[in-house]
Amino acid sequence: NAGVTQTPKFQVLKTGQSMTLQCAQDMNHEYMSWYRQDPGMGLRLIHYSVGAGITDQGEVPNGYNVSRSTTEDFPLRLLSAAPSQTSVYFCASSYSTGSVPSGTIYFGEGSWLTVV
Amino acid sequence: AQKVTQAQTEISVVEKEDVTLDCVYETRDTTYYLFWYKQPPSGELVFLIRRNSFDEQNEISGRYSWNFQKSTSSFNFTITASQVVDSAVYFCALRPSNAGNNRKLIWGLGTSLAVNP
Repeated sequence: NAGVTQTPKFQVLKTGQSMTLQCAQDMNHEYMSWYRQDPGMGLRLIHYSVGAGITDQGEVPNGYNVSRSTTEDFPLRLLSAAPSQTSVYFCASSYSTGSVPSGTIYFGEGSWLTVV
Repeated sequence: AQKVTQAQTEISVVEKEDVTLDCVYETRDTTYYLFWYKQPPSGELVFLIRRNSFDEQNEISGRYSWNFQKSTSSFNFTITASQVVDSAVYFCALRPSNAGNNRKLIWGLGTSLAVNP
């Protein structure tokens, strides 16, 4: 059972480049989300999804897009990378009751992104 | 307002010492969940425990124990006989239950624990 899988683990981008962070879970979880972690800021929610075809914004959505075409996958796209997006990104998933998360939230191993 | 406060930014102990990590939360919800996660130097987030607001029983898992007190809105985490492998950043988190809020975890800023040999 792989759990939540994120790729790539490390990435260096130039300002203005675009890229996609991949996230997949094999637990049939309906709820998935993306966080970024920055020193002194803790974990901040970027976007989340309560099921295939449904996405919503978190605290810091600007500069990021998501889509949820399948239950398993929840990619995060950086449209035009900026140095302020240098961070560690975590994908997470959990079961849902109705359209809200329930139970334990499981995290991927993190993706270290540097924008130069 | 929903908030999680981990007042201890950094703690340093010597191996075999007991250490308690504090977590104080604020919420108006009567139903909510509290979590602790561990982030070792390798960076991943590891789930430790989930507690719902109706269950105030303390929990012990090996060297780890959790003290949940609704009266003081605290959910403290104690490591007994600490080991070097316990060195990590520990996060406390709150998930409220009210519709509209319960899709998000509210995180403390973490406590960095260093256990020295």
